[in-house]
Amino acid sequence: DIQMTQSPSSLSASVGDRVTITCRANQSINIYLNWYQQKPGKAPKLLIYAASSVQSGVPSRFSGSGSGTDFSLTISSLQPEDFATYYCQHSYTTLFSFGPGTKVDIK
Amino acid sequence: QVRLVESGGGLVKPGGSLRLSCAASGFTFSDHYMTWIRQAPGKGLEWISYISSTSSFINYAASVKGRFTISRDNAKNSLYLQINSLRAEDTALYYCARALFGVTTAYYFDSWGQGTLVTVSS
Repeated sequence: DIQMTQSPSSLSASVGDRVTITCRANQSINIYLNWYQQKPGKAPKLLIYAASSVQSGVPSRFSGSGSGTDFSLTISSLQPEDFATYYCQHSYTTLFSFGPGTKVDIK
Repeated sequence: QVRLVESGGGLVKPGGSLRLSCAASGFTFSDHYMTWIRQAPGKGLEWISYISSTSSFINYAASVKGRFTISRDNAKNSLYLQINSLRAEDTALYYCARALFGVTTAYYFDSWGQGTLVTVSS
């Protein structure tokens, strides 16, 4: 099975900061990597699919990159509504799996 | 707009069973693959099962294989998850989600319900 890891597990940042979260797969997954945002008490929300395609309605400050085993999610200028937990998820096979999450909170 | 509403959760004793439902609206349900994902309290997301549009292809995470059964009724725009032999570690919020597919994008889960809570406790 494909295992996903994320780093860091948590980070503290200020409004306006540039934030980058990384995700790694234990084997190549091509570009089949998605990113989700989850706020407390809410369902996850799709941000990025296929490594770098931004979901409709998602602000342009969110971007994704990577291929193979290493991926990143970048928030170019952190906004108050971006404080949340972020998960990566592979879809290289239909035995999908998520990373453990990265919690972004206020410094 | 796409709407997914889960139901059927509750408090159940270890070894018990439940049938979760997910009512879909706002899109052509029969055209889409669907999936179940769960989240234990304070923990991360765990994908547990997936079903193709015609029920031809089904897959399960190892942690639930043999105990959980996914199904769908396209005439009723509904997705189901039969969960048997429940264990304390199955306590979680269970989400259904729509899975979109593209040849160049593979699968991604673009719409989620709000979840139904399953608590396994004696």
